Amino acid sequence: GESVGLHLPTLSVQEGDNSIINCAYSNSASDYFIWYKQESGKGPQFIIDIRSNMDKRQGQRVTVLLNKTVKHLSLQIAATQPGDSAVYFCAEGTYNQAGTALIFGKGTTLSVSS
Amino acid sequence: GAVVSQHPSRVICKSGTSVKIECRSLDFQATTMFWYRQFPKKSLMLMATSNEGSKATYEQGVEKDKFLINHASLTLSTLTVTSAHPEDSSFYICSASGGGPSIYEQYFGPGTRLTVT
Repeated sequence: GESVGLHLPTLSVQEGDNSIINCAYSNSASDYFIWYKQESGKGPQFIIDIRSNMDKRQGQRVTVLLNKTVKHLSLQIAATQPGDSAVYFCAEGTYNQAGTALIFGKGTTLSVSS
Repeated sequence: GAVVSQHPSRVICKSGTSVKIECRSLDFQATTMFWYRQFPKKSLMLMATSNEGSKATYEQGVEKDKFLINHASLTLSTLTVTSAHPEDSSFYICSASGGGPSIYEQYFGPGTRLTVT
């Protein structure tokens, strides 16, 4: 079946560096994409989302890029901090009234060293 | 706003017993709640989707008689793991949507760690 996947299972960066986490998706019908951060033993925490009719969206220290041509999604974290260490998941969804399940990618573990 | 809670946060039970996990939307009414399961170092796998007042829709491979889901109100859904076995040990996460700031966005609970001995 169709699924969302991540290119790298782990990413290690130095504090202050910029981090780029990538995700490839296969469902061209998805309406929106979301990045989540999950710390150990906790539920996913919403970071940022982007609709399929956009190619870039910026938040506080984060930017999500969407390339529908190659079905690629990325999350850029500027000036990465130790508190950013976590597992990051991309997820895709479709608008179907309310309550359409998300499909999650495999996750990238970001480790930030100071 | 859009806070989702789960209870208990951790539970240990003996093999063969049943365990109930509650998922509550605290400050909004959720028309739909989702139950996910997550194994260590793995992604979230959707188990079932439940809409208030109707039967849950289970994903392929999920036993509906083993994982009983009840969505009796717009703020509460329960997942009961019946006759639990060690292989049911996992992190169970619920999410709710339909009534928060965005009707499409899913708001996740903090998860419940189930350990079956």
